[in-house]
Amino acid sequence: AQRVTQPEKLLSVFKGAPVELKCNYSYSGSPELFWYVQYSRQRLQLLLRHISRESIKGFTADLNKGETSFHLKKPFAQEEDSAMYYCALGYYSGGSYIPTFGRGTSLIVHP
Amino acid sequence: NAGVTQTPKFQVLKTGQSMTLQCAQDMNHNSMYWYRQDPGMGLRLIYYSASEGTTDKGEVPNGYNVSRLNKREFSLRLESAAPSQTSVYFCASSERLWERSNQPQHFGDGTRLSIL
Repeated sequence: AQRVTQPEKLLSVFKGAPVELKCNYSYSGSPELFWYVQYSRQRLQLLLRHISRESIKGFTADLNKGETSFHLKKPFAQEEDSAMYYCALGYYSGGSYIPTFGRGTSLIVHP
Repeated sequence: NAGVTQTPKFQVLKTGQSMTLQCAQDMNHNSMYWYRQDPGMGLRLIYYSASEGTTDKGEVPNGYNVSRLNKREFSLRLESAAPSQTSVYFCASSERLWERSNQPQHFGDGTRLSIL
Protein backbone atom coordinates (compact mmCIF):
# COMPACT_ATOMS: atom_id res chain seq x y z
CA ALA A 1 0.00 0.00 0.00
CA GLN A 2 1.12 3.50 -0.67
CA ARG A 3 2.12 5.26 2.48
CA VAL A 4 3.34 8.59 3.72
CA THR A 5 5.35 8.73 6.92
CA GLN A 6 5.97 11.83 8.95
CA PRO A 7 8.13 10.56 11.81
CA GLU A 8 7.80 13.63 14.03
CA LYS A 9 4.51 14.45 15.69
CA LEU A 10 5.94 17.64 17.10
CA LEU A 11 8.81 19.88 16.12
CA SER A 12 9.73 22.77 18.36
CA VAL A 13 12.26 25.43 17.31
CA PHE A 14 13.16 29.01 18.12
CA LYS A 15 12.55 31.92 15.80
CA GLY A 16 15.37 32.26 13.29
CA ALA A 17 16.42 28.63 13.52
CA PRO A 18 16.34 26.35 10.48
CA VAL A 19 13.41 24.00 10.13
CA GLU A 20 13.15 20.62 8.46
CA LEU A 21 9.93 18.63 8.55
CA LYS A 22 10.52 15.11 7.40
CA CYS A 23 8.40 13.13 5.00
CA ASN A 24 9.08 9.70 3.57
CA TYR A 25 6.86 7.85 1.15
CA SER A 26 6.47 4.41 -0.30
CA TYR A 27 5.25 4.15 -3.86
CA SER A 28 6.57 2.16 -6.75
CA GLY A 29 5.48 4.55 -9.47
CA SER A 30 6.18 8.21 -10.13
CA PRO A 31 4.93 10.06 -7.08
CA GLU A 32 3.05 13.29 -6.88
CA LEU A 33 3.99 14.88 -3.58
CA PHE A 34 2.59 17.86 -1.76
CA TRP A 35 2.80 19.72 1.50
CA TYR A 36 -0.34 21.09 3.11
CA VAL A 37 -0.52 23.45 6.07
CA GLN A 38 -3.26 24.07 8.60
CA TYR A 39 -2.91 27.19 10.72
CA SER A 40 -4.86 27.48 13.92
CA ARG A 41 -8.58 27.89 13.21
CA GLN A 42 -8.02 27.92 9.46
CA ARG A 43 -8.72 25.53 6.67
CA LEU A 44 -6.21 23.05 5.44
CA GLN A 45 -4.49 24.57 2.43
CA LEU A 46 -1.93 23.59 -0.12
CA LEU A 47 1.53 24.90 0.65
CA LEU A 48 3.55 23.56 -2.23
CA ARG A 49 3.87 20.68 -4.66
CA HIS A 50 7.00 19.01 -5.86
CA ILE A 51 6.21 19.39 -9.53
CA SER A 52 6.24 23.16 -9.25
CA ARG A 53 9.67 23.35 -7.61
CA GLU A 54 8.49 26.53 -5.98
CA SER A 55 9.25 28.32 -2.75
CA ILE A 56 6.23 29.41 -0.76
CA LYS A 57 6.55 31.53 2.38
CA GLY A 58 10.25 30.67 2.39
CA PHE A 59 9.60 26.93 2.40
CA THR A 60 11.07 24.55 -0.13
CA ALA A 61 10.84 20.81 -0.57
CA ASP A 62 12.95 18.60 -2.77
CA LEU A 63 11.90 15.22 -3.98
CA ASN A 64 14.64 12.65 -3.40
CA LYS A 65 13.61 9.51 -5.20
CA GLY A 66 16.64 7.59 -4.00
CA GLU A 67 15.72 8.18 -0.37
CA THR A 68 11.97 8.35 -1.12
CA SER A 69 11.78 11.57 0.81
CA PHE A 70 10.16 14.95 0.39
CA HIS A 71 11.34 16.96 3.37
CA LEU A 72 10.06 20.49 3.92
CA LYS A 73 12.71 23.06 4.77
CA LYS A 74 12.97 26.67 5.76
CA PRO A 75 16.26 28.36 6.64
CA PHE A 76 14.87 30.79 9.22
CA ALA A 77 11.67 29.94 11.05
CA GLN A 78 9.14 32.62 11.93
CA GLU A 79 6.54 32.55 14.68
CA GLU A 80 3.76 32.67 12.07
CA ASP A 81 5.02 29.36 10.70
CA SER A 82 3.57 27.62 13.74
CA ALA A 83 0.99 25.23 12.32
CA MET A 84 0.21 21.64 11.49
CA TYR A 85 1.96 20.39 8.37
CA TYR A 86 0.85 17.42 6.31
CA CYS A 87 2.79 15.66 3.62
CA ALA A 88 0.61 14.08 0.94
CA LEU A 89 1.12 11.58 -1.84
CA GLY A 90 -1.05 11.31 -4.91
CA TYR A 91 -1.11 8.15 -6.93
CA TYR A 92 -3.22 6.39 -9.53
CA SER A 93 -5.06 3.20 -8.72
CA GLY A 94 -7.56 1.51 -10.99
CA GLY A 95 -7.87 4.64 -13.06
CA SER A 96 -8.57 6.86 -10.10
CA TYR A 97 -6.32 9.36 -8.44
CA ILE A 98 -5.99 8.76 -4.72
CA PRO A 99 -4.62 11.33 -2.30
CA THR A 100 -2.96 9.95 0.83
CA PHE A 101 -1.90 12.08 3.76
CA GLY A 102 0.68 11.58 6.44
CA ARG A 103 -0.25 11.93 10.09
CA GLY A 104 1.07 15.44 10.29
CA THR A 105 3.76 17.30 12.20
CA SER A 106 2.95 20.12 14.54
CA LEU A 107 5.52 22.89 14.21
CA ILE A 108 5.89 25.31 17.08
CA VAL A 109 8.15 28.30 16.65
CA HIS A 110 9.06 30.00 19.90
CA PRO A 111 9.90 33.72 20.06
CA ASN B 1 -16.71 32.86 -3.43
CA ALA B 2 -17.31 30.36 -0.63
CA GLY B 3 -15.19 27.50 -2.00
CA VAL B 4 -16.13 24.36 -0.10
CA THR B 5 -18.99 24.67 2.37
CA GLN B 6 -19.75 22.04 4.98
CA THR B 7 -22.79 21.78 7.20
CA PRO B 8 -23.22 21.45 10.07
CA LYS B 9 -20.07 22.69 11.81
CA PHE B 10 -20.79 20.79 15.02
CA GLN B 11 -23.03 17.88 15.89
CA VAL B 12 -23.55 15.58 18.83
CA LEU B 13 -25.24 12.26 18.24
CA LYS B 14 -26.23 9.29 20.32
CA THR B 15 -24.99 5.85 19.39
CA GLY B 16 -27.24 4.34 16.76
CA GLN B 17 -28.55 7.62 15.38
CA SER B 18 -28.17 8.46 11.73
CA MET B 19 -26.94 11.65 10.18
CA THR B 20 -25.94 13.16 6.86
CA LEU B 21 -23.06 15.60 6.53
CA GLN B 22 -23.46 17.99 3.64
CA CYS B 23 -20.78 19.39 1.38
CA ALA B 24 -21.07 21.76 -1.54
CA GLN B 25 -18.45 23.45 -3.72
CA ASP B 26 -18.90 26.37 -6.05
CA MET B 27 -15.71 26.02 -8.08
CA ASN B 28 -17.12 23.68 -10.71
CA HIS B 29 -14.70 20.99 -9.58
CA ASN B 30 -15.15 17.48 -10.84
CA SER B 31 -13.69 15.58 -7.90
CA MET B 32 -14.80 15.59 -4.30
CA TYR B 33 -13.55 13.81 -1.19
CA TRP B 34 -14.49 13.03 2.38
CA TYR B 35 -11.79 12.67 5.04
CA ARG B 36 -11.80 12.14 8.75
CA GLN B 37 -9.14 13.64 10.99
CA ASP B 38 -8.31 12.01 14.27
CA PRO B 39 -5.59 12.99 16.76
CA GLY B 40 -2.31 11.38 15.81
CA MET B 41 -3.82 9.82 12.69
CA GLY B 42 -3.79 12.69 10.27
CA LEU B 43 -6.29 12.72 7.45
CA ARG B 44 -7.76 9.46 6.25
CA LEU B 45 -9.79 9.20 3.09
CA ILE B 46 -13.28 7.79 3.59
CA TYR B 47 -14.82 8.06 0.12
CA TYR B 48 -14.22 10.06 -2.97
CA SER B 49 -16.04 10.92 -6.15
CA ALA B 50 -13.99 11.30 -9.29
CA SER B 51 -16.85 12.88 -11.17
CA GLU B 52 -20.58 13.34 -10.98
CA GLY B 53 -22.25 9.96 -10.81
CA THR B 54 -19.27 8.00 -9.49
CA THR B 55 -18.11 7.21 -5.99
CA ASP B 56 -15.33 5.00 -4.65
CA LYS B 57 -14.13 3.76 -1.31
CA GLY B 58 -11.09 5.25 0.30
CA GLU B 59 -9.03 3.98 3.19
CA VAL B 60 -11.73 3.83 5.90
CA PRO B 61 -15.18 3.47 4.29
CA ASN B 62 -16.83 1.12 6.80
CA GLY B 63 -19.84 2.61 8.51
CA TYR B 64 -20.31 5.33 5.91
CA ASN B 65 -22.20 5.90 2.69
CA VAL B 66 -21.93 8.73 0.23
CA SER B 67 -24.01 10.34 -2.47
CA ARG B 68 -22.78 12.56 -5.25
CA LEU B 69 -26.03 14.38 -5.72
CA ASN B 70 -24.80 16.57 -8.55
CA LYS B 71 -21.56 18.20 -9.53
CA ARG B 72 -21.71 20.62 -6.61
CA GLU B 73 -22.77 18.38 -3.75
CA PHE B 74 -21.27 15.34 -2.07
CA SER B 75 -22.87 14.07 1.13
CA LEU B 76 -21.63 11.63 3.75
CA ARG B 77 -24.08 9.52 5.71
CA LEU B 78 -23.66 7.66 8.96
CA GLU B 79 -26.49 5.14 9.09
CA SER B 80 -25.92 4.00 12.67
CA ALA B 81 -23.40 6.19 14.44
CA ALA B 82 -20.80 4.61 16.71
CA PRO B 83 -18.45 6.26 19.22
CA SER B 84 -15.51 5.25 17.01
CA GLN B 85 -16.83 7.68 14.42
CA THR B 86 -16.25 10.64 16.69
CA SER B 87 -13.94 12.77 14.59
CA VAL B 88 -13.55 15.90 12.56
CA TYR B 89 -14.80 15.39 9.02
CA PHE B 90 -13.43 17.34 6.10
CA CYS B 91 -14.79 17.64 2.62
CA ALA B 92 -12.47 18.62 -0.21
CA SER B 93 -12.65 19.16 -3.93
CA SER B 94 -10.20 19.34 -6.80
CA GLU B 95 -10.52 20.42 -10.37
CA ARG B 96 -9.75 17.26 -12.28
CA LEU B 97 -8.99 13.78 -11.10
CA TRP B 98 -7.33 12.57 -14.24
CA GLU B 99 -4.73 15.17 -14.79
CA ARG B 100 -1.50 14.72 -12.93
CA SER B 101 -0.33 17.46 -10.61
CA ASN B 102 -3.88 18.62 -10.25
CA GLN B 103 -4.39 17.28 -6.82
CA PRO B 104 -4.46 20.67 -5.12
CA GLN B 105 -7.43 20.27 -2.99
CA HIS B 106 -9.66 22.89 -1.51
CA PHE B 107 -10.92 22.00 1.92
CA GLY B 108 -13.97 22.96 3.88
CA ASP B 109 -13.90 24.15 7.48
CA GLY B 110 -14.76 20.71 8.81
CA THR B 111 -17.58 19.19 10.83
CA ARG B 112 -16.80 18.27 14.42
CA LEU B 113 -18.89 15.21 15.22
CA SER B 114 -19.20 13.65 18.66
CA ILE B 115 -21.00 10.39 19.23
CA LEU B 116 -21.96 9.50 22.75
